[in-house]
Amino acid sequence: SAVISQKPSRDICQRGTSLTIQCQVDSQVTMMFWYRQQPGQSLTLIATANQGSEATYESGFVIDKFPISRPNLTFSTLTVSNMSPEDSSIYLCSVDQGRSGELFFGEGSRLTVL
Amino acid sequence: GQNIDQPTEMTATEGAIVQINCTYQTSGFNGLFWYQQHAGEAPTFLSYNVLDGLEEKGRFSSFLSRSKGYSYLLLKELQMKDSASYLCAVKSGGSYIPTFGRGTSLIVHP
Repeated sequence: SAVISQKPSRDICQRGTSLTIQCQVDSQVTMMFWYRQQPGQSLTLIATANQGSEATYESGFVIDKFPISRPNLTFSTLTVSNMSPEDSSIYLCSVDQGRSGELFFGEGSRLTVL
Repeated sequence: GQNIDQPTEMTATEGAIVQINCTYQTSGFNGLFWYQQHAGEAPTFLSYNVLDGLEEKGRFSSFLSRSKGYSYLLLKELQMKDSASYLCAVKSGGSYIPTFGRGTSLIVHP
């Protein structure tokens, strides 16, 4: 199973600012996934990040708002740009390294936007 | 698209058995996962079903009926530490990425 480290674990941000979340995996993986979990809601996929190519965004998410980097096979960043209170959420990084294709998740980054 | 439905909240008594249901409507079903998520923590994988029937793993079992679009997670000998959110997630349509339900918050009381 993969071990995934995310930082920051939590942050309080001002409206209009941007924050970059880092995700480090202890093994090389082809795809990394970024999810959002708003209070009381399900996990929603933001985008899939492949090394060496642009991220693939899900409906409702755009690169200008959530730029993603994937410089190598063990690391990715997600930036939440021009934040508003509606962006207050937990952001989770994950990989599908399980035998059955199950996802392993980082600890999550809890963002609060004031 | 997919539609995944789970009860929002359930309560049960320590030592008892609880069944958490999940129904889904999808095309090209390709597997169903159950995850456990404690408050403030990341989800952790519990089980995977792709064929009909029951998969048992210790105190936890998961059942799937593809024809009915139905799964359940069965937790036996409940412990206080089982208080958590349980997420049902479905893969379908050739996608390798599952879609998650809203989760069922289970409260275990003494």
